[in-house]
Amino acid sequence: GAGVSQTPSNKVTEKGKYVELRCDPISGHTALYWYRQSLGQGPEFLIYFQGTGAADDSGLPNDRFFAVRPEGSVSTLKIQRTERGDSAVYLCASSLTVPPRTGELFFGEGSRLTVL
Amino acid sequence: AQKITQTQPGMFVQEKEAVTLDCTYDTSDQSYGLFWYKQPSSGEMIFLIYQGSYDEQNATEGRYSLNFQKARKSANLVISASQLGDSAMYFCAMREGRTRGATNKLIFGTGTLLAVQP
Repeated sequence: GAGVSQTPSNKVTEKGKYVELRCDPISGHTALYWYRQSLGQGPEFLIYFQGTGAADDSGLPNDRFFAVRPEGSVSTLKIQRTERGDSAVYLCASSLTVPPRTGELFFGEGSRLTVL
Repeated sequence: AQKITQTQPGMFVQEKEAVTLDCTYDTSDQSYGLFWYKQPSSGEMIFLIYQGSYDEQNATEGRYSLNFQKARKSANLVISASQLGDSAMYFCAMREGRTRGATNKLIFGTGTLLAVQP
């Protein structure tokens, strides 16, 4: 597709369950980012991939959060033992390896996670 | 630590008028980038405009311009001739890192909700 695609768009789960969120970046973009946006806040950085490897995972809040990108394209954000505080919109973004001067990120529409 | 501050939680503007959305930033890096993104109700973040810390001219993109005042560490967004479709959340962001484009990791402010009135 032309843009960043994220699935599911909405996910409701119960506390303690396991969740996977998927991101399909723009074709040719080797850099991929996950952000989390809580209600009334700006997006907060979680993790950044350059190709298949996580170049910076400093934003992951704890070891319940994990992300993979095995073939350097699609990425999956995995959340174990979900807690109510994990409820947020999870945004994925991609950019060129050597970004243009502006270095802009291209975002998907996000996956809204609600933990009951 | 790098930080972005947007002090206006909400703004109103009449259609066809200009509006300024405030943004101040804090960083110890000499090289950095400043961005504005628009987030409509669909949730997607849409890139609007970019200003590099070494750019001498204020950035402009169509109806958007960035009033960059480096000494004051401010990067206000000016939207001219507002349209109803401009109603959205607007986020100011800064690229972290000493090397331009090294990580592209952005730090965002809390946003300003703009409502354009007919």
